[in-house]
Amino acid sequence: SQQGEEDPQALSIQEGENATMNCSYKTSINNLQWYRQNSGRGLVHLILIRSNEREKHSGRLRVTLDTSKKSSSLLITASRAADTASYFCATDPGEGAQKLVFGQGTRLTINP
Amino acid sequence: DADVTQTPRNRITKTGKRIMLECSQTKGHDRMYWYRQDPGLGLRLIYYSFDVKDINKGEISDGYSVSRQAQAKFSLSLESAIPNQTALYFCATSDLRDRDTGELFFGEGSRLTVL
Repeated sequence: SQQGEEDPQALSIQEGENATMNCSYKTSINNLQWYRQNSGRGLVHLILIRSNEREKHSGRLRVTLDTSKKSSSLLITASRAADTASYFCATDPGEGAQKLVFGQGTRLTINP
Repeated sequence: DADVTQTPRNRITKTGKRIMLECSQTKGHDRMYWYRQDPGLGLRLIYYSFDVKDINKGEISDGYSVSRQAQAKFSLSLESAIPNQTALYFCATSDLRDRDTGELFFGEGSRLTVL
């Protein structure tokens, strides 16, 4: 069964705007990761946030984690056409196995 | 050259045929995974391996088998393919030393169509 539920399933914005994607999960986690997938390609790791962290930044990416609500958000600021992709959250239950459980993804389209 | 290489990249086959998807990696990672991606369902774990002698079932292992021929090679087999195994299959690796904070490194995927 899927651990993560992502919202929205699809998002279309204008270049330069900010994009926010949300992820909810069901069980306790060790960390939560966000991945990007260009159409038909492999997934690429973007950022990881540990369960004891609340916010993390990497370039134009900002991730928040609320373990009490079992939710996370990914903010991409000043979006570019090249940011068009699908974005997936993935939770690591922390059993040492790195058995990531993926959400169904958000399809982001940046319009020029 | 890619760090995680999957072959074939695309395959069309018929119901009942045996299919093998291969994965090789040059990252030196101990851990290897096979995931399946279906539209709207994200990725689901089929099998994973922590070393040559350690193979574990994932969420959806029925109808699949795997072989870890060497640290760098992990193959996924469909003994008798059926149409609902049509999907995009991904191999991934991770480093045992990063087991508490680690990311997965993905191949480019193998698109399988079963007619």
